[in-house]
Amino acid sequence: DAGITQSPRHKVTETGTPVTLRCHQTENHRYMYWYRQDPGHGLRLIHYSYGVKDTDKGEVSDGYSVSRSKTEDFLLTLESATSSQTSVYFCAISDPVRGGSTDTQYFGPGTRLTVL
Amino acid sequence: AQKITQTQPGMFVQEKEAVTLDCTYDTSDPSYGLFWYKQPSSGEMIFLIYQGSYDQQNATEGRYSLNFQKARKSANLVISASQLGDSAMYFCAMREASNDYKLSFGAGTTVTVRA
Repeated sequence: DAGITQSPRHKVTETGTPVTLRCHQTENHRYMYWYRQDPGHGLRLIHYSYGVKDTDKGEVSDGYSVSRSKTEDFLLTLESATSSQTSVYFCAISDPVRGGSTDTQYFGPGTRLTVL
Repeated sequence: AQKITQTQPGMFVQEKEAVTLDCTYDTSDPSYGLFWYKQPSSGEMIFLIYQGSYDQQNATEGRYSLNFQKARKSANLVISASQLGDSAMYFCAMREASNDYKLSFGAGTTVTVRA
């Protein structure tokens, strides 16, 4: 199993408060991703990183920011949590090689966030 | 436009039988990859199988095989000899070379294996 941990695993917070979720990997993979999972939508990409301090937006990035100061850590921040951000958040890692035949993403265990 | 379509929200299968999960995709990129993931009730996402767009043969991994029909843009997952532990949600996903290795997921199919 890929060495990916997420913290916290569960969190309940109130509307308007900032929240930071952490993803930590021990695989030295270059790419890291944050997804959210909601019923009927599968997983949707929030932000991703292709190296230290290199990040870009996904399809549902509004209300979220990220930071990556070290290869192993990727932080997701909800600047002012809203009830619509209640979801399960997954971190993933990959190490794609251009021209390679596979660049599988491996997922962390997920964080269940409830915003009241 | 939806890039990955999984038309079966839920399926029942008898233990030891085979089950096929449908996945169609939409891309104009000649270089892409297709993935299947399993999500049991415990919540983790487990990688099952990968098919590259240039692969000549269908991918297989143990009891999992991918029926890749490029012209029809379909990548169906076949699970042979179903087991009770196969009960889970299954997601099809696609990565396009032009999209910087980002994955697009389908909505998923729930499989329930009956004893």
